[in-house]
Amino acid sequence: EVQLVESGGGLVQPGGSLRLSCAASGFTISSYWMHWVRQAPGKGLVWVSRINSDGSSTGYADSVKGRFTISRDNAKNTLYLQMNSLRAEDTAVYYCARDSYSGCYDSWGQGTLVTVSS
Amino acid sequence: ETVLTQSPATLSLSPGERATLSCRASQSVSSYLAWYQQKPGQAPRLLIYDASNRAPGIPARFSGSGSGTDFTLTISSLEPEDFAVYYCQQRSNWPVTFGQGTRLEIK
Repeated sequence: EVQLVESGGGLVQPGGSLRLSCAASGFTISSYWMHWVRQAPGKGLVWVSRINSDGSSTGYADSVKGRFTISRDNAKNTLYLQMNSLRAEDTAVYYCARDSYSGCYDSWGQGTLVTVSS
Repeated sequence: ETVLTQSPATLSLSPGERATLSCRASQSVSSYLAWYQQKPGQAPRLLIYDASNRAPGIPARFSGSGSGTDFTLTISSLEPEDFAVYYCQQRSNWPVTFGQGTRLEIK
């Protein structure tokens, strides 16, 4: 069974940092592009970042560029999101998602909540 | 970026009725449009990809159509478990964008 499990969320002060992890099981992430998508409380879905299969290419939404870094450890079957200089507007549930080869997301984690507040 | 506008914002229907949800793109996305269902407290679930292809395990009552800028998700006969929020998503143009969602509620 394909499963994605995020961890690392929590309460952080503005300007602080967090590192999210997404542990995959039931498939090998080295065969897939992977993404982070976030959802602010009561709001819609917003794409955050993506990384290609071997980690050589990454992409970011303008709102997080220069502050967030996506990475992967294929040996550990795990995806990461390093979030620095956090702002209140970064408060959201962060989902990792598998790219289905069609540019859409066929598997999602359960999400991890990041709250940025003093 | 490509803006996806979903309508209506809320749709109130009864089980057994037909639901028609719309997604309009600010520029052509060809057929690179997907639909997701999200229930409270859950992650989104992929329903339709490339405008009209059902994802594995998705019931046949869900269908998608359209190309270019206008797309439709149709649920032919609503089941109780279909009441949720639905999002469209395009991957044709950078960056990936989602619509704001349509809430399908029980009338």
